[in-house]
Amino acid sequence: NAGVTQTPKFQVLKTGQSMTLQCAQDMNHEYMSWYRQDPGMGLRLIHYSVGAGITDQGEVPNGYNVSRSTTEDFPLRLLSAAPSQTSVYFCASSPEGGGYGYTFGSGTRLTVV
Amino acid sequence: QKEVEQDPGPLSVPEGAIVSLNCTYSNSAFQYFMWYRQYSRKGPELLMYTYSSGNKEDGRFTAQVDKSSKYISLFIRDSQPSDSATYLCAMSAGYGGATNKLIFGTGTLLAVQP
Repeated sequence: NAGVTQTPKFQVLKTGQSMTLQCAQDMNHEYMSWYRQDPGMGLRLIHYSVGAGITDQGEVPNGYNVSRSTTEDFPLRLLSAAPSQTSVYFCASSPEGGGYGYTFGSGTRLTVV
Repeated sequence: QKEVEQDPGPLSVPEGAIVSLNCTYSNSAFQYFMWYRQYSRKGPELLMYTYSSGNKEDGRFTAQVDKSSKYISLFIRDSQPSDSATYLCAMSAGYGGATNKLIFGTGTLLAVQP
């Protein structure tokens, strides 16, 4: 049972490049979300999904796109990377929502130069 | 004002000390309260889970919720160097559904000195 798997673990992008952060879970969780973690800011919600085909914006959605075609996968796309997107990105999943608690992946450390 | 406030620390204690970590919140609708532990360069892991007010104990860890004061605490007894990590509080107004998001504190960095 792998839990939540994120790839890649590390990435360096040039300003303006695009990329996709991958997230997969094998727990059949309906609820998945993406957070970014910055020093002094804590975990901030980017986008979330309550099931396949359903996504919505979180606290800091600008510059990011998501889609949820299957229960297992929830990729995060950076359309045109900016230095302000330098951060650690975490994917998390839950059986149903906030009150259940989340299982987190190990994170993707992204640097935009 | 943030919905959840947490002292960032760092908090440094000697091995064997009792550690007290705290969060305050402003949303009276919160009723599910959690503590996550995050080791350096790792993802957060769920440590303690409490519903509504009261205490919950798990080994050396005790979580307390005082809804009347909008204040939650995590106590660590006989602290060990392996407890050195960032501790994040988190809370939610409901169990499931799109509106019941989990709101996190900024985390407290704890260092237990051998």
